[in-house]
Amino acid sequence: EAGVAQSPRYKIIEKRQSVAFWCNPISGHATLYWYQQILGQGPKLLIQFQNNGVVDDSQLPKDRFSAERLKGVDSTLKIQPAKLEDSAVYLCASRSGQGARNTIYFGEGSWLTVV
Amino acid sequence: DAKTTQPTSMDCAEGRAANLPCNHSTISGNEYVYWYRQIHSQGPQYIIHGLKNNETNEMASLIITEDRKSSTLILPHATLRDTAVYYCIVRGDLYNQGGKLIFGQGTELSVKP
Repeated sequence: EAGVAQSPRYKIIEKRQSVAFWCNPISGHATLYWYQQILGQGPKLLIQFQNNGVVDDSQLPKDRFSAERLKGVDSTLKIQPAKLEDSAVYLCASRSGQGARNTIYFGEGSWLTVV
Repeated sequence: DAKTTQPTSMDCAEGRAANLPCNHSTISGNEYVYWYRQIHSQGPQYIIHGLKNNETNEMASLIITEDRKSSTLILPHATLRDTAVYYCIVRGDLYNQGGKLIFGQGTELSVKP
């Protein structure tokens, strides 16, 4: 079974530029998450989708971050304009069923450096 | 906020059992204990989870105390490849916390030759 796919793997941009990350979850997984992980810290949830609807985006900095999952499959996370403090790994994750008994699987992450 | 407390770091000799403790004294009756690990430059990897009973799979064993206020992840024969940050996470159900994972700082396990 293919895992969660993310691209690009690495990205370096200048501050105030924009960047987009793409995620393709495991086939059939209705729930998709985006996490931000700053160096030395645990991952922090940015947004959660159930199919193409947003379940939780309370931690998403909406003035610069946006995410969509238009067809309920793959998803895009965008940052515009980027700040130095956005340098982090952006992790996408997905799960199949509902409830805490269903395991969440992560992709390898997209590493962003803002200079 | 994370609902668990873990030691910041631990060492383990290669070939020996690694026992990683986790305190979750405020866990609710319908919340699961999940363990993930993150090897450098990779995404978090699922290890094991449990509700009340002890669990074992090909990677590890999970021992949950009877009062469910703490648990221990056991890697029976640690190898150098087990060096990673291990996260213990208490996870609510869909209607409580949306089924999401809330990560703490984790335990950095170093397996030494």
